[in-house]
Amino acid sequence: AQRVTQPEKLLSVFKGAPVELKCNYSYSGSPELFWYVQYSRQRLQLLLRHISRESIKGFTADLNKGETSFHLKKPFAQEEDSAMYYCAPYPLEGSQGNLIFGKGTKLSVKP
Amino acid sequence: DAGVTQSPTHLIKTRGQHVTLRCSPISGHKSVSWYQQVLGQGPQFIFQYYEKEERGRGNFPDRFSARQFPNYSSELNVNALLLGDSALYLCASSLGLAGGSGELFFGEGSRLTVL
Repeated sequence: AQRVTQPEKLLSVFKGAPVELKCNYSYSGSPELFWYVQYSRQRLQLLLRHISRESIKGFTADLNKGETSFHLKKPFAQEEDSAMYYCAPYPLEGSQGNLIFGKGTKLSVKP
Repeated sequence: DAGVTQSPTHLIKTRGQHVTLRCSPISGHKSVSWYQQVLGQGPQFIFQYYEKEERGRGNFPDRFSARQFPNYSSELNVNALLLGDSALYLCASSLGLAGGSGELFFGEGSRLTVL
């Protein structure tokens, strides 16, 4: 079955510490991969997409096809990074045209 | 641009009733997707419409239905409401079909409480 797993419900770090939010997926083929973020009192929005190979707000995400993982990383966390983060694969094969969201990880960055 | 707008923002219904949720996509976007988000969970896909045709359906009962109008706005209907239908219902629009290089733009959601 198609599945996306974010093992940590809550991740708490201090400002300036590195942060890694984990995401594992199980799909046939190679899905496109996205990270979405929801800041307090804001809408769910795209943070970054794998296909763009971009770094947004200091975050990067590495696709590891062997481990079927797409972990989100930032070397130095800031307080404004506190938010809910959702990993969202788009399975290219057998897709119904939709993103599938993980359960999310709440990142809390303490001063 | 106001972004994706949804109405109503909050509503309370009783079991067995019917509800209609509405969504206006960003101007120029032809696809609308509906998601259900239960507290503590990620958004779960319900429907996607593109150019007024259903292009995808998630694992939801037939009590859930939707449609897209010529102006690309959309309605989500839920019949015979159950307590478990209490959730935040999110609408998202995109230029084309979601996924691939597409980006979903979300509304603020309609929070449904079923008593």
